[in-house]
Amino acid sequence: DVKVTQSSRYLVKRTGEKVFLECVQDMDHENMFWYRQDPGLGLRLIYFSYDVKMKEKGDIPEGYSVSREKKERFSLILESASTNQTSMYLCASSLSRGGGINQPQHFGDGTRLSIL
Amino acid sequence: AQKITQTQPGMFVQEKEAVTLDCTYDTSDPSYGLFWYKQPSSGEMIFLIYQGSYDQQNATEGRYSLNFQKARKSANLVISASQLGDSAMYFCAMRGGPYNTDKLIFGTGTRLQVFP
Repeated sequence: DVKVTQSSRYLVKRTGEKVFLECVQDMDHENMFWYRQDPGLGLRLIYFSYDVKMKEKGDIPEGYSVSREKKERFSLILESASTNQTSMYLCASSLSRGGGINQPQHFGDGTRLSIL
Repeated sequence: AQKITQTQPGMFVQEKEAVTLDCTYDTSDPSYGLFWYKQPSSGEMIFLIYQGSYDQQNATEGRYSLNFQKARKSANLVISASQLGDSAMYFCAMRGGPYNTDKLIFGTGTRLQVFP
């Protein structure tokens, strides 16, 4: 089974802090994704990556950056955390770029981030 | 632009009964895939079932089936013989496009509550 592991289930930070959310997958997947989930809005894509050192903006990239130095690890960075970034963050991975429209994304357990 | 609509914010069903969760989609692409995910209160997103736009038959996975009506652009999830453990948020998602970007677009979700 695919395992996607997010480093923290719950995290509390202060406004202005630089925040790192880490995600690791163990199935050699090429694609990795970061979403945020808010009530009534579903999941919205922040950034994604097809390969090491590659990144592409999703629908709501403002205030975020990402890093992918190794294939299995994809980090989400809040450069200067603000209260409107309080949310649930979900990491996902899928097998390969363009590798079949039936590929599901596999998700981690999520990180509930609170910015005070 | 692609869009997923889930019009039922919440649904109730009695244990052992069947329930249908609605999902409509909008796309101009001939090739696309539709996914359903379950999110228990613990937060992880669990992949349930997939339907491809060219699939001739409705997808089934155990107690889950997908009522796919292509002309109406609907992909409703049917859960048969509901169990208490089915209480969760359910998300419909779509993937597609001419370049198969691997991104998923999610609906806003339906919260299902199963009562004894």
